Amino acid sequence: DTGVSQNPRHKITKRGQNVTFRCDPISEHNRLYWYRQTLGQGPEFLTYFQNEAQLEKSRLLSDRFSAERPKGSFSTLEIQRTEQGDSAMYLCASSPPGQMNTGELFFGEGSRLTVL
Amino acid sequence: AQSVTQPDIHITVSEGASLELRCNYSYGATPYLFWYVQSPGQGLQLLLKYFSGDTLVQGIKGFEAEFKRSQSSFNLRKPSVHWSDAAEYFCAVGPDYGGSQGNLIFGKGTKLSVKP
Repeated sequence: DTGVSQNPRHKITKRGQNVTFRCDPISEHNRLYWYRQTLGQGPEFLTYFQNEAQLEKSRLLSDRFSAERPKGSFSTLEIQRTEQGDSAMYLCASSPPGQMNTGELFFGEGSRLTVL
Repeated sequence: AQSVTQPDIHITVSEGASLELRCNYSYGATPYLFWYVQSPGQGLQLLLKYFSGDTLVQGIKGFEAEFKRSQSSFNLRKPSVHWSDAAEYFCAVGPDYGGSQGNLIFGKGTKLSVKP
């Protein structure tokens, strides 16, 4: 399968612990996005990378959240000192560069976080 | 503020019946408009998009949508629903892709159930 891959698919953690999610985009896609989706809501934009550069961050991305894409390929989203309000589905998406970009985002299946 | 409203949280239709899902947006500039579908256990998938030109756009799986600037609407339609169309549908608005690339604003979604 050559789609967007996210790991782990499910994570249950205790409040105060740190968690990290990984996203592997479609190989030729240079743009990578993180969204968060809570129950009954649509996805909310968190951050966006073009290659290894983080170009945009939402106000939703508090100091406890950090995202990286060190080599312009996979990305990680780390949440430090988790809170119950962080419980959500974290979605990763990618899109191709330049002329190949039709405006479509290709989403992974998401990583569901439950904070107890 | 930019926003997307999907007035219907849940819609049930009979298989073979027609479908219309409503979407209204608030956006200062000319919007780019999208409909995505999310099936259980699957990532969001693009159904169709509107950037410019013909206001009636065709998408995958027999869906179409009509952009009406005067009503700030982008309603999704299908003439005959299949049981496999049961899913959650999200309308989204985005900026000019020459600028911010992936900061889509999603509605809260409409869950579609299909009766046999």
